[in-house]
Amino acid sequence: DTEVTQTPKHLVMGMTNKKSLKCEQHMGHRAMYWYKQKAKKPPELMFVYSYEKLSINESVPSRFSPECPNSSLLNLHLHALQPEDSALYLCASSQERIAGTGAGNTIYFGEGSWLTVV
Amino acid sequence: AQSVTQLDSHVSVSEGTPVLLRCNYSSSYSPSLFWYVQHPNKGLQLLLKYTSAATLVKGINGFEAEFKKSETSFHLTKPSAHMSDAAEYFCVVSAYNTDKLIFGTGTRLQVFP
Repeated sequence: DTEVTQTPKHLVMGMTNKKSLKCEQHMGHRAMYWYKQKAKKPPELMFVYSYEKLSINESVPSRFSPECPNSSLLNLHLHALQPEDSALYLCASSQERIAGTGAGNTIYFGEGSWLTVV
Repeated sequence: AQSVTQLDSHVSVSEGTPVLLRCNYSSSYSPSLFWYVQHPNKGLQLLLKYTSAATLVKGINGFEAEFKKSETSFHLTKPSAHMSDAAEYFCVVSAYNTDKLIFGTGTRLQVFP
């Protein structure tokens, strides 16, 4: 079962709100990722967690705050967002980090959370 | 540096006819290559992957792709299109020694009845 579950599917928030996106996988994967996808564009990497530790932050603004409470869960805390942050946020996981594996460690994506900032 | 180029932004086919989505890659190392599909308002689903085993890779839903090192290509094909194949398709290369996936710009497949 290659399933990554994301909640909520849709979120509308004001610029002063604090909200969170949640992601869960039960495949025993030890690497988890947040991607951002704008309309008609490919996904862009935001964060990588490996063994529950943040390993990559792609220069994402601090109004996005990731958290990995355990090996199955990944959160993205949102605060003081801007309208241009409206996008599809995709969570993904892989058995291990893909870096250096050379064997095509596959990343599995969730259905995404549609975020609208008003 | 690694990169991937999807040669067509849009492809239109009639139901029951073959599908060809073209992808060329650039890599200094032996690449890992993937095709993902994204249906409207959905996440990305893995269709197939190449990881230096067989050069002809079979995926889900009747799709397959052939890795051709001499042509640096990894084109996606399907013998007979179905209406449900209408979606955005991304060719992806796994960048060496980083966690970044290098995405192509995507090809939108339309299937007409």
